[in-house]
Amino acid sequence: KNEVEQSPQNLTAQEGEFITINCSYSVGISALHWLQQHPGGGIVSLFMLSSGKKKHGRLIATINIQEKHSSLHITASHPRDSAVYICAAHGLYGQNFVFGPGTRLSVLP
Amino acid sequence: GAGVSQSPRYKVAKRGQDVALRCDPISGHVSLFWYQQALGQGPEFLTYFQNEAQLDKSGLPSDRFFAERPEGSVSTLKIQRTQQEDSAVYLCASSPRQAREAGGELFFGEGSRLTVL
Repeated sequence: KNEVEQSPQNLTAQEGEFITINCSYSVGISALHWLQQHPGGGIVSLFMLSSGKKKHGRLIATINIQEKHSSLHITASHPRDSAVYICAAHGLYGQNFVFGPGTRLSVLP
Repeated sequence: GAGVSQSPRYKVAKRGQDVALRCDPISGHVSLFWYQQALGQGPEFLTYFQNEAQLDKSGLPSDRFFAERPEGSVSTLKIQRTQQEDSAVYLCASSPRQAREAGGELFFGEGSRLTVL
C-alpha cells in the first residue's frame, strides 16, 4: 500500500463545476502540501497545511489529521485549472516528502 | 535568481553515456531535494541535502547515481552509464528550512527531462 494515495486518478469537468480531489496518507505527518504541475513539468506549491483549512482565491484545502485525509477543492473551475494536482506528505521524522501519484484534471470550456 | 533553476531542460543521451544535471536553488535555501518523476507518476525521492551535507541518499536507485552540493548552494546530479530506465524528469526543489522542521515550503525547478536512447 502506498503511503500517500489520491483519488480520483483522472477527472474531467465542465467549466464552472466544483471540483474535489482527495488525498489520504498512512504515515504521521508534520505538514501536507498540495502542488500543481502543468504540462512541461513546472511544479507550483499551492498550499502547505498541518491542520484545519486554507483558502486562496478559488482554491480551498482542508485536512483532517485524525482521519489522515486532505481535500483540495476548486470552485468555479476554469480551463486554466487543467493540470496534475499532487499531494505530498512531510513525515514526522523523515527528511523527505512522500508524493501521491497525482490527479490529472481537465476542465473543458 | 528568483526561483529554482535547472539545466539542461532537456537531455538526450545514448545508453552508456554519463550525464550531469544541475540545480541552482533559491539563494540562502538550506534544504535541497532531488526527485525522479517517471511519465504519468508522482515524483519519487532521490536524495536530500542540508547545506552541503548529503543527509539522505536512500532514494538513489543504484550506485550509478551520484549527487553533490559542495558549497551548499548549486547541486549536481550525475548519472553514470545511463540506461533506458533512467529516462525521466529529474526535479530539484529547495526550501528555506531544514527538512525536519514542519511547514517548510518547497520551491521546485522546471525539471530536467532525460531521454536515454
